Amino acid sequence: QITLKESGPTLVKPTQTLTLTCTFSGFSLSTSGVGVGWIRQPPGKALEWLALIYWDDDKRYSPSLKSRLTITKDTSKNQVVLTMTNMDPVDTATYYCGRRGYSYGYDYWGQGTLVTVSS
Amino acid sequence: EIVLTQSPGTLSLSPGERATLSCRASQSVSSSYLAWYQQKPGQAPRLLIYGASSRATGIPDRFSGSGSGTDFTLTISRLEPEDFAVYYCQQYGSSPQTFGPGTKVDIK
Repeated sequence: QITLKESGPTLVKPTQTLTLTCTFSGFSLSTSGVGVGWIRQPPGKALEWLALIYWDDDKRYSPSLKSRLTITKDTSKNQVVLTMTNMDPVDTATYYCGRRGYSYGYDYWGQGTLVTVSS
Repeated sequence: EIVLTQSPGTLSLSPGERATLSCRASQSVSSSYLAWYQQKPGQAPRLLIYGASSRATGIPDRFSGSGSGTDFTLTISRLEPEDFAVYYCQQYGSSPQTFGPGTKVDIK
């Protein structure tokens, strides 16, 4: 059974750095073709793709947020970490992590975690 | 960056009717790496279709996907009450792996 779960702060202040952890089970991020990505969704709005890390440590970022994002993996712990610097109220959103199967799109998702940016 | 446009924005239909949702890409989608997701309020998205036309595991056969290049379609042959939701397309063949703005299917 494949599961993913996001964890991190629910409230951050403007200018702070957000660190989110995706802890997964049921698959390995050392398997060829597999990746774990982050997607966010502001309240009432559409999904926005943020970043993706592949089994071979190849990393991809949204161009509009690239300067603020860092994605890393710890294969031994089955975790992927996303950091986002200089948080702003417009970054308030539910943040999801998802497994990117080789050719399947994002076939498994975490439940999401709501992050509010406010002073 | 590939920009995805979905139409219509809202589709008002009755249970039993056929739903046809469109997703258009600003440039050709690599290897037909186009997915469709369903999202209900308070829930994470669920993968319905990948590779433009392949149903994900456990997805009923009333859901079908078609298209290639820049034009893609999701069809729900007969709407069930649980199908009223928001549907997103996503291209995952090139980075950034963009999503469309969504189509809301609501009850007429």
